[in-house]
This record gives sequence, C-alpha cells and structure tokens, in this order.
Amino acid sequence: EDQVTQSPEALRLQEGESSSLNCSYTVSGLRGLFWYRQDPGKGPEFLFTLYSAGEEKEKERLKATLTKKESFLHITAPKPEDSATYLCAVQAGNQFYFGTGTSLTVIP
Amino acid sequence: DAGVTQSPTHLIKTRGQQVTLRCSPKSGHDTVSWYQQALGQGPQFIFQYYEEEERQRGNFPDRFSGHQFPNYSSELNVNALLLGDSALYLCASSFAGQETQYFGPGTRLLVL
Repeated sequence: EDQVTQSPEALRLQEGESSSLNCSYTVSGLRGLFWYRQDPGKGPEFLFTLYSAGEEKEKERLKATLTKKESFLHITAPKPEDSATYLCAVQAGNQFYFGTGTSLTVIP
Repeated sequence: DAGVTQSPTHLIKTRGQQVTLRCSPKSGHDTVSWYQQALGQGPQFIFQYYEEEERQRGNFPDRFSGHQFPNYSSELNVNALLLGDSALYLCASSFAGQETQYFGPGTRLLVL
C-alpha cells in the first residue's frame, strides 16, 4: 500500500537550534517528492521538488535531501518565523499522497 | 501574476445539502487537483482534472464530483453532505508534464 509517514509529529526548537524532519515513503513508481510549508488555516506553500535519490535542494535556512526510501528537511539556525507545519507529499502516477506533517515551533 | 484562487473562503451547510466550491488555477496552468484536509491531518487527494476530464481519482465516494471548464477553472461538488465532510478543501494547479503543484488558500466547509 502506498503511504507517506512523517516524523516527528511535533518538534520544539530554540532559536538557532538546527534539526531535521523525516519523511519516509512506500510508493511504486515515484514521480516526485514535494515539501510544503503550511501556516494555520492557510493553503500549503510550495518549498521543494525532488525527483531522484541523491538530489538536494536549498532555500534560505532549509535544505531537502532524498534517498530511495526517505527524505529529510534540514533546518539550520531556525527563527521563530519558521514555525509552521511542514508537509511531505509523493506522486505516483497521477496520484498524490501526503503525510500528516510535522508541526515545528521555534522558541525565541 | 495571480496565484491559485478559491471561493468562497468559508461555508456553512447542513447535513443532506449540496455544495459547490470553485477554483481558478495559477496563470499558465492547465491541471487542477482537489484535496480534503481534516483538522490535524494531511491533505487527502480527491481527484485531478486535465483537459476537462477526470484523470485520476482518490478514495472518495461518488458524492464527490467535479468539473473543469475550457478556461481551466474547476468546480468541486459534494452531494448529500455528512458531518464528516467538514474540512478545509484545497485546490492545487500545475502545468501538464510538470509535477509541482501550487495550492490555493482553501475553502473551509462546516457541516452542521
């Protein structure tokens, strides 16, 4: 069964304390893996698309990596404005599967 | 460049009623997908429309139906509403052949 699992469910960090979020997946025929940021009551905001194992992408304090079975979102020296829920999604064919997200809180 | 827009922003219905939600894709996009997001959960894929046809469907009953118009905008219709249909309904658009989807702000549906 195709599925996406994110861990941890929630993460509290002090400002400047770097960490990583995990997304593991089991799908047949991966076409892409996506990371989104979602603020409460709003639609997901696109961050990254990864297509193949070994690929990495960076944007400001965020870096996403991909292996054959999982992806990591590394957050370096986070700031309070990075507080949000981070969602991982995979595409298999024309079907999309989302994880339940990691709720990140960065404390000043 | 306008992003994905959705209307209405909020909606309250009672059980058994029908609802129609609307979505306009990002400029240049021709593919629209709909998602249901319950509180505290990730978005669940409902279906995707391309060239005015339903191209892929998730695990949702036939009460959920949709339409895509020649200008690529789309509607999501839900019949015989249940309390469990209360959720944030998200529309996402993309360009055929490019996998990345961009989401709208969503429509919050409350069924009483």
